[in-house]
Amino acid sequence: AQSVTQPDIHITVSEGASLELRCNYSYGATPYLFWYVQSPGQGLQLLLKYFSGDTLVQGIKGFEAEFKRSQSSFNLRKPSVHWSDAAEYFCAVGSFSGGYNKLIFGAGTRLAVHP
Amino acid sequence: EPEVTQTPSHQVTQMGQEVILRCVPISNHLYFYWYRQILGQKVEFLVSFYNNEISEKSEIFDDQFSVERPDGSNFTLKIRSTKLEDSAMYFCASRVTENQPQHFGDGTRLSIL
Repeated sequence: AQSVTQPDIHITVSEGASLELRCNYSYGATPYLFWYVQSPGQGLQLLLKYFSGDTLVQGIKGFEAEFKRSQSSFNLRKPSVHWSDAAEYFCAVGSFSGGYNKLIFGAGTRLAVHP
Repeated sequence: EPEVTQTPSHQVTQMGQEVILRCVPISNHLYFYWYRQILGQKVEFLVSFYNNEISEKSEIFDDQFSVERPDGSNFTLKIRSTKLEDSAMYFCASRVTENQPQHFGDGTRLSIL
């Protein structure tokens, strides 16, 4: 069965420091992979997606992610974190059923940013 | 930028009552979804809807749940007889084609008393 694992429940970084959020997936075929961000009281905003092609994908707000098939990973990175990046981050895989028909989410990583 | 709109933002209902959660997907989108997130847990898929019918549903989506697209713009989730465990944040999502990502609304927080 498809699944997504985000090993880190909470991460705290200092403003200006680099960030890497881990995501591992279990999926039989080439996955569609996503990172979403959820600020308190808000919905899920798409940060970036991987469908095929270049394994390093750029997203909004200065985020990037790298798809590594050999490691079944899709880690999210940002070179310099801003206080406004404090939020919860969800990795998700698209499950195929005639096109990808649903998203399977990880448990999320809550990011805190210290000034 | 067009967005998915959900109303109300917060719904408080007595156990056993019916509730309808409303969503207005992005206008040219064709695929529609409901997800829920129980407090402190992961976001879970409930149901997908395409071409005026359910294309997939999860085990959570039992006979108490139904979805409808009553007109060209709204997409609703109905829970016929709410239970305490239905308390959650419910997200609506839509996408335009198979190879495009899903766009989410801000959610409706459903509280069952």
